[in-house]
Amino acid sequence: DTEVTQTPKHLVMGMTNKKSLKCEQHMGHRAMYWYKQKAKKPPELMFVYSYEKLSINESVPSRFSPECPNSSLLNLHLHALQPEDSALYLCASSPKARAEQYFGPGTRLTVT
Amino acid sequence: AQSVTQLDSQVPVFEEAPVELRCNYSSSVSVYLFWYVQYPNQGLQLLLKYLSGSTLVESINGFEAEFNKSQTSFHLRKPSVHISDTAEYFCAVSDPLSARQLTFGSGTQLTVLP
Repeated sequence: DTEVTQTPKHLVMGMTNKKSLKCEQHMGHRAMYWYKQKAKKPPELMFVYSYEKLSINESVPSRFSPECPNSSLLNLHLHALQPEDSALYLCASSPKARAEQYFGPGTRLTVT
Repeated sequence: AQSVTQLDSQVPVFEEAPVELRCNYSSSVSVYLFWYVQYPNQGLQLLLKYLSGSTLVESINGFEAEFNKSQTSFHLRKPSVHISDTAEYFCAVSDPLSARQLTFGSGTQLTVLP
């Protein structure tokens, strides 16, 4: 099974709201990722967790806060977002660093 | 640093015709190569991967890609496309020396026409 799940599927939030995106995988993968994807563009890497530790932060604004509670879960906490943060947020996992990544279906985020 | 170039942003093709989506990369070291497919309003699905071994890799739905080291290419081909193959296709490379894990090309929109 190569399934990564993400919730919610859609999210609409105001600029003063706090919300969280959730990602889960049960493949025993030890690397997990957050990406942001704008329409008609490739995914842009935001964060990488390796063995539950944050290993890469691609200079993401602090209004995005990742969390890895355990080896199967990855959260992305959102606070005080801007309309330009509206995008598809993708989670991915891989069995090890630099191997193939398996993506979830994404959360479509709209900031109003 | 590595980079990936997908020369064609859009490829329209008639149903049952063959198609080739081009991907070229630049890297000073050995790389892993991938093709991902993204259907509308969905995440990315891994279509093919080249890690080592045979330079020709195949997917279960009739796509194949060939790693050509001398031309630094990893073109995706299918001998006969279906309407359901309409999607965005991304080529990606993984460089063992890069901390960024995956570098994606800009994508190619394949549209299969009836």
